[in-house]
Amino acid sequence: GIQVEQSPPDLILQEGANSTLRCNFSDSVNNLQWFHQNPWGQLINLFYIPSGTKQNGRLSATTVATERYSLLYISSSQTTDSGVYFCAVVRSNSGYALNFGKGTSLLVTP
Amino acid sequence: DAGVIQSPRHEVTEMGQEVTLRCKPISGHNSLFWYRQTMMRGLELLIYFNNNVPIDDSGMPEDRFSAKMPNASFSTLKIQPSEPRDSAVYFCASSIDLNTEAFFGQGTRLTVV
Repeated sequence: GIQVEQSPPDLILQEGANSTLRCNFSDSVNNLQWFHQNPWGQLINLFYIPSGTKQNGRLSATTVATERYSLLYISSSQTTDSGVYFCAVVRSNSGYALNFGKGTSLLVTP
Repeated sequence: DAGVIQSPRHEVTEMGQEVTLRCKPISGHNSLFWYRQTMMRGLELLIYFNNNVPIDDSGMPEDRFSAKMPNASFSTLKIQPSEPRDSAVYFCASSIDLNTEAFFGQGTRLTVV
């Protein structure tokens, strides 16, 4: 199956700092989503971004499908950004299941 | 829209008992997915449906697991008999069609003792 690798696995930031999370995948994809799993376990949609760049407030994401990676940028981090960030992809020509990475665990301290 | 609705939110059951998890997808969504999250294996697909028809059940662990979608607004995941290793958070997700953005429910935390 497809390999989805996220880095870093853990990240501690002070409130107000910026960060970049990376997602590498081993095969071509036709769907990529970023999720935030909050401390209550809820999976919150951040971006549906098979290619290109999108921005939503303090968050933005870029996917370069030809080079098999995606980046999630968090600017001016807040304590409410804490949680686990997952990248998930659908491998091309291989069904429609989302394949999840292991996530980046983010802690933002006051 | 209320989003994907799962019930119950928490379930504690004894080994050997039957467990039924329920999901109501977002209205108008034609595709429904069941995922399971554990510490060891992360998030993994169990089964998905399109237009109420099961498309891929290759992720269902064994015959103890079964899933149905009798209509466009309801799906169940049943485990019979349950075992302690089935303890996990089970998520349901829906999307307008296959390979469009998926939205997840709040999950059911299952504990089998």
